[in-house]
Amino acid sequence: GQQLNQSPQSMFIQEGEDVSMNCTSSSIFNTWLWYKQDPGEGPVLLIALYKAGELTSNGRLTAQFGITRKDSFLNISASIPSDVGIYFCAGLASGNTPLVFGKGTRLSVIA
Amino acid sequence: DTEVTQTPKHLVMGMTNKKSLKCEQHMGHRAMYWYKQKAKKPPELMFVYSYEKLSINESVPSRFSPECPNSSLLNLHLHALQPEDSALYLCASSRQEGGTGELFFGEGSRLTVL
Repeated sequence: GQQLNQSPQSMFIQEGEDVSMNCTSSSIFNTWLWYKQDPGEGPVLLIALYKAGELTSNGRLTAQFGITRKDSFLNISASIPSDVGIYFCAGLASGNTPLVFGKGTRLSVIA
Repeated sequence: DTEVTQTPKHLVMGMTNKKSLKCEQHMGHRAMYWYKQKAKKPPELMFVYSYEKLSINESVPSRFSPECPNSSLLNLHLHALQPEDSALYLCASSRQEGGTGELFFGEGSRLTVL
């Protein structure tokens, strides 16, 4: 089946630093999404990308849909303690296929 | 505040018990999902309901039985579970099945099977 390779698996950063994580696949996806999951909560959608090459921002978050449609990255600028959590990339090949999730990047922010 | 409400938040049950997890959304979404999530893993799709009909069953054992009484409600009936079924069970909804991939998740029901 389709798989998403998400890296890094975990990150420890200082408050105020910028963060970058990415997701790659051997398959083409038509939609890329980034979700964040806080401890004890369900995932929450951060950013959705629908076109190859698209660059979208949501506050301090910026995500890009790779031009080959096989990758995406998420950047977080000037990290703060509430950025702690697990970030999942997800890809949708078509409207008739289930969403595929990456294995997640666990972010820890040291104040 | 999440717009997908799941109850109970925590459930402990024995292997011979019968229990149910409940999920409700009032966003007018036509697709609802059950996911299972083990610690430090991504959510794994179990079932998809589209317009109140079962659309996808990802080869889930019959000890898990989904039910969609109406477009706002989704239940997951549990019977004769095993300890390895202990996990966070997430309900989600979307405007329609597949679509844009934008899922709204509930907070989850944490299940422990003794």
